[in-house]
Amino acid sequence: GAGVSQSPSNKVTEKGKDVELRCDPISGHTALYWYRQSLGQGLEFLIYFQGNSAPDKSGLPSDRFSAERTGGSVSTLTIQRTQQEDSAVYLCASSRPDRSSLYFGPGTRLTVL
Amino acid sequence: QKEVEQDPGPLSVPEGAIVSLNCTYSNSAFQYFMWYRQYSRKGPELLMYTYSSGNKEDGRFTAQVDKSSKYISLFIRDSQPSDSATYLCASTSGSARQLTFGSGTQLTVLP
Repeated sequence: GAGVSQSPSNKVTEKGKDVELRCDPISGHTALYWYRQSLGQGLEFLIYFQGNSAPDKSGLPSDRFSAERTGGSVSTLTIQRTQQEDSAVYLCASSRPDRSSLYFGPGTRLTVL
Repeated sequence: QKEVEQDPGPLSVPEGAIVSLNCTYSNSAFQYFMWYRQYSRKGPELLMYTYSSGNKEDGRFTAQVDKSSKYISLFIRDSQPSDSATYLCASTSGSARQLTFGSGTQLTVLP
């Protein structure tokens, strides 16, 4: 079946602009995650959605970051007033709620000029 | 101190070599251990999954967990240029939400 898809694959924006990143998880996976991966760094957890429960936003680095998940499926990560330090690869992953492993999408490479 | 430590490399080996990739962890509650492979400009893909201590073999890949020393290893036999990627170890006490990742080891297998 289809894996996790993300769009766009690449995004170049100017400092101060807002960006929206999209994730479409694997069908049947009720858990959805956003991670950030910077050059030479590990995976940084950002936010977690599980079904209809309130999202776990504990990893969001600032209030410029927000995310929503509509209809328990597609998710959008929004970064407002982008800064150069926001440049990174943003990875989305999904899983079944009773599983301990994640399935990742190809990522969105964000470059803030 | 990070909960999962991984030597970032880079590691470069000739084709056919045996590769050993290693991680250490500090959380005694970790029960599930994974290795992800990430090709350049791609997302990580699950490569190996083990529960508790012991070995697990899949083709040329063997994952080994030693809970007494809190040591996680991935061995690649007869390495191929197509194995060139970044390898990330990850551990959790239960749920995927609690997954903690190492920083990744960049491997290059030279033809």
